[in-house]
Amino acid sequence: KQEVTQIPAALSVPEGENLVLNCSFTDSAIYNLQWFRQDPGKGLTSLLLIQSSQREQTSGRLNASLDKSSGRSTLYIAASQPGDSATYLCAVRLDQAGTALIFGKGTTLSVSS
Amino acid sequence: DARVTQTPRHKVTEMGQEVTMRCQPILGHNTVFWYRQTMMQGLELLAYFRNRAPLDDSGMPKDRFSAEMPDATLATLKIQPSEPRDSAVYFCASGSERTPSYNEQFFGPGTRLTVL
Repeated sequence: KQEVTQIPAALSVPEGENLVLNCSFTDSAIYNLQWFRQDPGKGLTSLLLIQSSQREQTSGRLNASLDKSSGRSTLYIAASQPGDSATYLCAVRLDQAGTALIFGKGTTLSVSS
Repeated sequence: DARVTQTPRHKVTEMGQEVTMRCQPILGHNTVFWYRQTMMQGLELLAYFRNRAPLDDSGMPKDRFSAEMPDATLATLKIQPSEPRDSAVYFCASGSERTPSYNEQFFGPGTRLTVL
């Protein structure tokens, strides 16, 4: 059974720091991996999606990498800002056929000004 | 601006009452998912549909939960009777297998359910 783990569960950093959020999964046979952001009391916003054949995806100050063979993904946030404070969720999809995502429990990030 | 909509956004009810949550997927999307989020368990799949047909509802307590898609623009999740342990945020998500981003899921804002 696929399990997704995110470490750390919470992270506090001062504004301007570069930081890395980690995600690991137990079964490397994934179809893709998606990073989401969730603000308190809100829904999920998709940040980046990495196909299993890709190594990384970038969007603005965000960069997500995928090492499928080792079952790991990282989300790199450059020059963090207070507005980046949120919970970041990692989720994997097992196959192509529109199947559901399996989520980690998230890393709650707090960026202080 | 295409987005998934969910109603109601908040629901407080008493134990034993029926609860119905509704979701309107993004127009043209053919897959719809229901997830539940709690502090203890995180986000878990309850059920999902492709082309309105249920494909997997193994995450759903069958005796009290039911999910349907009466048409392509409406998905419903019902709980009858509701119990305090059903208190959670219920998210609907949709996706399409027919677009370049077909393997991306888009989430609604959720329904926050409190069962007293």
